[in-house]
Amino acid sequence: DSGVTQTPKHLITATGQRVTLRCSPRSGDLSVYWYQQSLDQGLQFLIQYYNGEERAKGNILERFSAQQFPDLHSELNLSSLELGDSALYFCASSVTRPEGIGETQYFGPGTRLLVL
Amino acid sequence: GEDVEQSLFLSVREGDSSVINCTYTDSSSTYLYWYKQEPGAGLQLLTYIFSNMDMKQDQRLTVLLNKKDKHLSLRIADTQTGDSAIYFCAEKLSAGNNRKLIWGLGTSLAVNP
Repeated sequence: DSGVTQTPKHLITATGQRVTLRCSPRSGDLSVYWYQQSLDQGLQFLIQYYNGEERAKGNILERFSAQQFPDLHSELNLSSLELGDSALYFCASSVTRPEGIGETQYFGPGTRLLVL
Repeated sequence: GEDVEQSLFLSVREGDSSVINCTYTDSSSTYLYWYKQEPGAGLQLLTYIFSNMDMKQDQRLTVLLNKKDKHLSLRIADTQTGDSAIYFCAEKLSAGNNRKLIWGLGTSLAVNP
């Protein structure tokens, strides 16, 4: 158990819909990262938040957005869903020391999204 | 550019050693990681190595880093069926304020009894 929790574990929805995935980081971790894992693309970094602010952006579509709340939990919002958005979505957290090196990312169990 | 490459599949017999290889392109990498993903589960950090180290050993795991060739390997001694999983290599870049990891596609390790 990494200490990172994600809900829901599974989500089935239809094209065009919008869903929200939730992540609670490990106690004390200030950074939250979101990843998408699909069979054809592998593990793709989407976005990182640090202490409530966006820190880094990866291959995140404009239809997707995220935020980190004052209690440090994070939500990933996926809208206008397409079949190709079906994937495992992982959240990870890390301490992110001010010097910015060495922090290890601890992953949650993932949310499996199926778009029909 | 930023790229991490791994072979996609590896099959070994139980009790043998497994060696999973990874190459990366960015010489500014500071840390390199190995993560394990068991079927239906999240990613679990196995081990990591600083870029100024050549080798790190942790029980059955040995990580070798050849910084000149930008080659990283993970050796699992006495491989067990419970080691069957996908193993991801990731590099952490030091440049700029972007602290993302660059990930390989993962190597699927099958351990045959």
